[in-house]
Amino acid sequence: TQLLEQSPQFLSIQEGENLTVYCNSSSVFSSLQWYRQEPGEGPVLLVTVVTGGEVKKLKRLTFQFGDARKDSSLHITAAQPGDTGLYLCAGAALSINSNSGYALNFGKGTSLLVTP
Amino acid sequence: EPEVTQTPSHQVTQMGQEVILRCVPISNHLYFYWYRQILGQKVEFLVSFYNNEISEKSEIFDDQFSVERPDGSNFTLKIRSTKLEDSAMYFCASKAGPYNEQFFGPGTRLTVL
Repeated sequence: TQLLEQSPQFLSIQEGENLTVYCNSSSVFSSLQWYRQEPGEGPVLLVTVVTGGEVKKLKRLTFQFGDARKDSSLHITAAQPGDTGLYLCAGAALSINSNSGYALNFGKGTSLLVTP
Repeated sequence: EPEVTQTPSHQVTQMGQEVILRCVPISNHLYFYWYRQILGQKVEFLVSFYNNEISEKSEIFDDQFSVERPDGSNFTLKIRSTKLEDSAMYFCASKAGPYNEQFFGPGTRLTVL
């Protein structure tokens, strides 16, 4: 099982601040997804990164995949209270089996609280 | 927008009873998954299903668990004899495309008493 370490575990900031959360592993992933999860609900996909060094932007969210495809970061600019939630990264391991289901390994998440 | 749906949203059962959790994946998807999340813990993979058979399973997915796609639209997870430690949120997911974008359902909260 490829372990994904997310940091920080908890983050509490004021509205308008910038923040970066990290997702690190010693394993190489074929792709990495970021999800957001609200209490009692399922993870909601934010973005998928596939290519080493790739950067994707989703409004005020910027996602980066490490060159070696072992780590990723999520940067939020000018955080708003609506950004509050649990941010999960999940990686699909490399597989030589073309019919592999590519099960996702999840990190424990970063719980973000943005106060007005 | 297409979405994964799950029923029931909450299931309460007695230890030792059988439960069936149901999912309707996104209609044109080919890969289907079950994950679980024990309260306060991370999301854990249980099983993936492709071409009418299990393609991968984790150590959690023992002989008490089984999956089925009975009619081309539903995807079910059966737990034959529930244990207290099976209490968790169970999420169904389906694969959207070649880069493994999995879309998750809202979950079924299973409580075993």
